Amino acid sequence: QSVLTQPPSVSAAPGRKVNISCSGSSSNIGYNSVAWFQQVPGTAPKLLIYENNKRPSGIPDRFSGSKSGTSANLGITGLQTGDEAEYYCGTWDSSLSGAVFGGGTQVTIL
Amino acid sequence: DVQLLESGGDLIQPGGSLRLSCAASGFKFSDFAMTWVRQAPGKGLEWVSGLNSAGLSTYYADSVKGRFTISRDNSANTLYLRMNSLRSEDTAVYYCAKGLTEEVTLWLDSWGQGTQVTVFS
Repeated sequence: QSVLTQPPSVSAAPGRKVNISCSGSSSNIGYNSVAWFQQVPGTAPKLLIYENNKRPSGIPDRFSGSKSGTSANLGITGLQTGDEAEYYCGTWDSSLSGAVFGGGTQVTIL
Repeated sequence: DVQLLESGGDLIQPGGSLRLSCAASGFKFSDFAMTWVRQAPGKGLEWVSGLNSAGLSTYYADSVKGRFTISRDNSANTLYLRMNSLRSEDTAVYYCAKGLTEEVTLWLDSWGQGTQVTVFS
């Protein structure tokens, strides 16, 4: 059971948009900023979003992040077949004095 | 280009010890915090441990606290993870990752390819 809760899967057609939620508590998302990672099977994770809504260089603006209260959201617009992957949210948990990840969300392109 | 190359993964019996290494290149290693993240077979990501740039502030997941020790040699551009009292639930691919700042955060902008640790009896 992960500290952060994500839906197991989301799907949409190419070109459409998906949103992935990440729910936490006052000790993690409610108090700290959130990151999002993309992991294609067999490869290492890649940082998509940090500090709730900042994109590292090279990440297209089709990926966006937001946070409100104890929840965060990753939006992906203009879905492409290459976006099929597992997506993880993560943040620091002040009660645990360590970082935590969500259980992951599989994005499927229909 | 940033490169992180993990090594040291192995097959090992419960109760045994291993030391993982992560050789870094392509950036000023001593300026950035480093982190270990693991992934059990078919499972999600699990944060294991983080260490600030100076090597003075360490953080551990409860699941490994007291058994694992993170360290770094800034003169050798290398991160380590000493793992003692290994258990079957420690079986995973272990990734090292570079932080965006000198302090430990989850802003991990570069990752290695991972090294496999399998604990079996």
